[in-house]
Amino acid sequence: EAGVAQSPRYKIIEKRQSVAFWCNPISGHATLYWYQQILGQGPKLLIQFQNNGVVDDSQLPKDRFSAERLKGVDSTLKIQPAKLEDSAVYLCASSLRPSSHTQYFGPGTRLTVL
Amino acid sequence: GQQVMQIPQYQHVQEGEDFTTYCNSSTTLSNIQWYKQRPGGHPVFLIQLVKSGEVKKQKRLTFQFGEAKKNSSLHITATQTTDVGTYFCADGGATNKLIFGTGTLLAVQP
Repeated sequence: EAGVAQSPRYKIIEKRQSVAFWCNPISGHATLYWYQQILGQGPKLLIQFQNNGVVDDSQLPKDRFSAERLKGVDSTLKIQPAKLEDSAVYLCASSLRPSSHTQYFGPGTRLTVL
Repeated sequence: GQQVMQIPQYQHVQEGEDFTTYCNSSTTLSNIQWYKQRPGGHPVFLIQLVKSGEVKKQKRLTFQFGEAKKNSSLHITATQTTDVGTYFCADGGATNKLIFGTGTLLAVQP
């Protein structure tokens, strides 16, 4: 079974630039999550999708972050404009449904903002 | 908001020694999940505990859920070098919105 795919794996940008990350969840998984993991900390949920609808985006900095999952499959997370404090690993995860308690994580995208 | 703290932050052991990490929440946990993250890797699900006082074992790993559902622990017996990584607990919540703990980094010296 293919796992959660993410791209790019690494990205270096300058502050105030824009960046986008892509995630393809495990086939058939209805629930998709984006997490931000700052070095030395646990992952923090940014947004949760159920199919193409948003379940929770309470911790998403909406002035600069946006995410979409238009066809209920793959998803993109965008930052515009980026700040130095956005340097982190952005992890995508999926689960079969919200009540499925196993989340499968992708390899992540390591973002460095200079 | 809810805080999930883990102690210790870091533990260095000799191979063969035991290891325990403790997870404490400021609020009652819906369920507790444990994840392992190898250096440079991504979190991998280990187990979920739901019931008060629940104990589950996976080979050398023993997981416990506190009676009041506000704490949990992970114990590894006779550590091996393959156990190296950061162990996170996480509150699953009603919609599986995971709130991760601060993590414990385990280093194992051969």
